[in-house]
Amino acid sequence: DGGITQSPKYLFRKEGQNVTLSCEQNLNHDAMYWYRQDPGQGLRLIYYSQIVNDFQKGDIAEGYSVSREKKESFPLTVTSAQTTPTAFYLCASSVGLAGSDEQFFGPGTRLTVL
Amino acid sequence: AQSVAQPEDQVNVAEGNPLTVKCTYSVSGNPYLFWYVQYPNRGLQFLLKYITGDNLVKGSYGFEAEFNKSQTSFHLKKPSALVSDSALYFCAVREPTRFNKFYFGSGTKLNVKP
Repeated sequence: DGGITQSPKYLFRKEGQNVTLSCEQNLNHDAMYWYRQDPGQGLRLIYYSQIVNDFQKGDIAEGYSVSREKKESFPLTVTSAQTTPTAFYLCASSVGLAGSDEQFFGPGTRLTVL
Repeated sequence: AQSVAQPEDQVNVAEGNPLTVKCTYSVSGNPYLFWYVQYPNRGLQFLLKYITGDNLVKGSYGFEAEFNKSQTSFHLKKPSALVSDSALYFCAVREPTRFNKFYFGSGTKLNVKP
């Protein structure tokens, strides 16, 4: 999975709780991304970051928050404001934001709301 | 609207036969095009990309893809399918001038039967 680790692999959340998904990369990539995958819908972009201490909202950022304090780390917090959080979450990175750069993906975290 | 379409939810092929997974796109300008593969409960793996040049692109595991600008298509092909090729395949497109945006198709499940 290209030097990107995500933890935990499975996560269960009670309603009203915030949970944080970890993403770490050792590829020395500048850009990092978070996607949500739902059956039959492909991948939808939640947040992305081009450099440390900078990040931008994607298409479905509501109910999520991120931080980028270190180049290798890009944790995602799923807040209680996210009303349908059950999904498969994928972290990715790329060398930069150049259009020709392919993304490398982590193994994913499956989040289930109890 | 910018979009990527994978018109087939599922493709069935016998082992040893050629396979094609279809992708069409609707993006302004000259896009960058990608194919990824996903095995169950795993992240996406990069297969190949088209940036410019030869319309036939060769990638990992014997896969290739043909870019057709007039038909705005980027179909994934393999001359002889293996059972181990069974997985979910995603086409993605990126606009050269909007580096943050990857548009993913909804995915095509490839079933290769012995």
